[in-house]
Amino acid sequence: QVQLVQSGAEVKKPGASVKVSCKSSGYTFTGHYIHWVRQAPGQGLEWMGWIHPYSGDTKYTQKFQGRVTMTRDTSTGTAYMELSRLRSDDTAVYFCARDGTTSTPGEFDYWGQGTLVTVSS
Amino acid sequence: EIVLTQSPGTLSLSPGERATLSCRASQSVSSYFAWYQQKPGQAPRLLIHAASTRATGVPDRFSGSGSGTDFTLTISRLEPEDFAVYYCQQYGSSSFTFGPGTKVDIK
Repeated sequence: QVQLVQSGAEVKKPGASVKVSCKSSGYTFTGHYIHWVRQAPGQGLEWMGWIHPYSGDTKYTQKFQGRVTMTRDTSTGTAYMELSRLRSDDTAVYFCARDGTTSTPGEFDYWGQGTLVTVSS
Repeated sequence: EIVLTQSPGTLSLSPGERATLSCRASQSVSSYFAWYQQKPGQAPRLLIHAASTRATGVPDRFSGSGSGTDFTLTISRLEPEDFAVYYCQQYGSSSFTFGPGTKVDIK
């Protein structure tokens, strides 16, 4: 069965970077986009961008341009999201999610369990 | 960026009642539209995609409708496990967005 397993919780200081991993199993990793979505405490969902694991192509929402980098390792079926120059308002649960289509980006059919990133001095 | 507005913010209903949730997009997204359910401490779960197609394993009491800018999620008869927050999402533009959510709670 399809599974996305994310790395554990992180505590970072303002100005630092964090790298969250998302290991896939149960499907062909290179066949589906991987999206990253975050959720601040008590708030809604915020889409950050996607990576296509086959080509490595990425698309980031404007808000995170210049601060976010999405990468992948096809040998292990793992996607990564790195966010730099962290601020306190980056404190959130970060989710990876698999795109349900194999062509153009679409809905998110499987999700990781989430990784809590806390930014605090 | 396409802005999604959900209404109402909170819906207080009893089990067995019908729930109707709305989402409006600031510009047309055709049928590139999805609904998700999220329970506390859990990841979201895909319910509906392509505006009206139920995802695998989703009970048929959930239905979606609409196209263009106005969309509706209907839960025909609320079960105890349906009390949660529901988010709409558009993928009709290159930059995806979510609505702010509708909380369905027990009256």
